[in-house]
Amino acid sequence: QVQLVQSGAEVKEPGASVKVSCKASGYTFTNYYMHWVRQAPGQGLEWMGIINPDGGGTNYAQKLQGRVTMTRDTSTSIVYMELSSLRSDDTAVYFCARVLPPKQRTGAFETWGQGTVVTVSS
Amino acid sequence: EMVMTQSPATLSVSPGERATLSCRASQSVGSSLAWYQQKPGQAPRLLIYGASTRATGIPARFSGSGSGTEFTLTISSLQSEDFAVYYCQQYNNWPPRGTFGQGTKVEI
Repeated sequence: QVQLVQSGAEVKEPGASVKVSCKASGYTFTNYYMHWVRQAPGQGLEWMGIINPDGGGTNYAQKLQGRVTMTRDTSTSIVYMELSSLRSDDTAVYFCARVLPPKQRTGAFETWGQGTVVTVSS
Repeated sequence: EMVMTQSPATLSVSPGERATLSCRASQSVGSSLAWYQQKPGQAPRLLIYGASTRATGIPARFSGSGSGTEFTLTISSLQSEDFAVYYCQQYNNWPPRGTFGQGTKVEI
């Protein structure tokens, strides 16, 4: 079955970087765009960006431009999200999510990773 | 920028009752609207896409309707496992800024 398995929780100091992984299985990795969404404690869902595993093209939320980088490794079916210059308001659960229709950059998020808690604290 | 507004913020319902949740888009999104359910400590779960199509494995008590700017999620007879937060998401606009509503909490 389709599965997205994310890396474990991270605790980082302000100014540091964090890299979260999302391993896909159960489908052809390069056929589906992957998005990243985050959720601060007690808050709603915030779209962060998208990566096309077939080619590596990306598009990021304007507020994160310059701090976020999404990459992929097609040999292992893993996508990565790296966030730099961390601040306390980056404390959140980070999710990867696969779009429902193949080869389309936008759509409903059919499958989600389990989430990775990132805590930014000195 | 697109703004998705959900109402009410909190809905208090008894088991077995009907729940009606609303989502309004600041501009037309056609039928490109999804609904998600999220329970504490879990990832969101896709319920409805295309405004009215149930995702795989979603019970028939969940139904979606609407198009353009006004959308509704109806839970016909609330079960104990339905108490959660529900989010709407538009996917008509690119890039997807302002893609999610702020959520409606359905509580007992």
